[in-house]
Amino acid sequence: DIQMTQSPSSLSASVGDRVTITCRASQGISNSLAWYQQKPGKAPKLLLYAASTLESGVPSRFSGSGSGPDYTLTISSLQPEDFATYYCQQYYSSLSLTFGGGTKVEIK
Amino acid sequence: QLQLQESGPGLVKPSETLSLTCTVSGGSISSSSYYWGWIRQPPGKGLEWIGSIYYSGSTYYNPSLKSRVTISVDTSKNQFSLKLSSVTAADTAVYYCARHKGGIDCWGQGTLVTVSS
Repeated sequence: DIQMTQSPSSLSASVGDRVTITCRASQGISNSLAWYQQKPGKAPKLLLYAASTLESGVPSRFSGSGSGPDYTLTISSLQPEDFATYYCQQYYSSLSLTFGGGTKVEIK
Repeated sequence: QLQLQESGPGLVKPSETLSLTCTVSGGSISSSSYYWGWIRQPPGKGLEWIGSIYYSGSTYYNPSLKSRVTISVDTSKNQFSLKLSSVTAADTAVYYCARHKGGIDCWGQGTLVTVSS
């Protein structure tokens, strides 16, 4: 199984800050990575797939990058509605999906 | 607009089988290239993929749950279902049904299933 290690597990930031979340796979996953945002009591929402492709309707302040086993989600200027928990997920092994442990973004 | 809706008992007794159904509306479950899956989230914890099914019936399960999981599809009803046997309190979670090709682009609202006597 491919394991996904996400860091940090939580962070505090202010509106307008640049925020970076990292995700490391236990092996190379050839950009087969998605990022999700989840707010309390709601289903996750797809933000990016193929590591850097923005899902339709997602604001451009969200971006993704990376290669091999290492990937990054960046929020260029944190907005009030961005306070949430973020998850990465690999689909390199399409018959076995795995998620990172999540990063909770809180208000400083 | 595609919508997914989970249904099933919210309370299951230990050692029994958890059964949930996902009804797909606004699109066909027989659409090629898409998988239909189940993901769960224990209270206050992260996301865990349970398994997925292709419209043709091919199934793929999380190795850690494989011995207890069965996912099936009923294309005539545009539904797919989850059965998880021999449940324990550790199976208490919000269960989501979802559609994915790579990323999961459509989720149900989730249903809380509690395992308790």
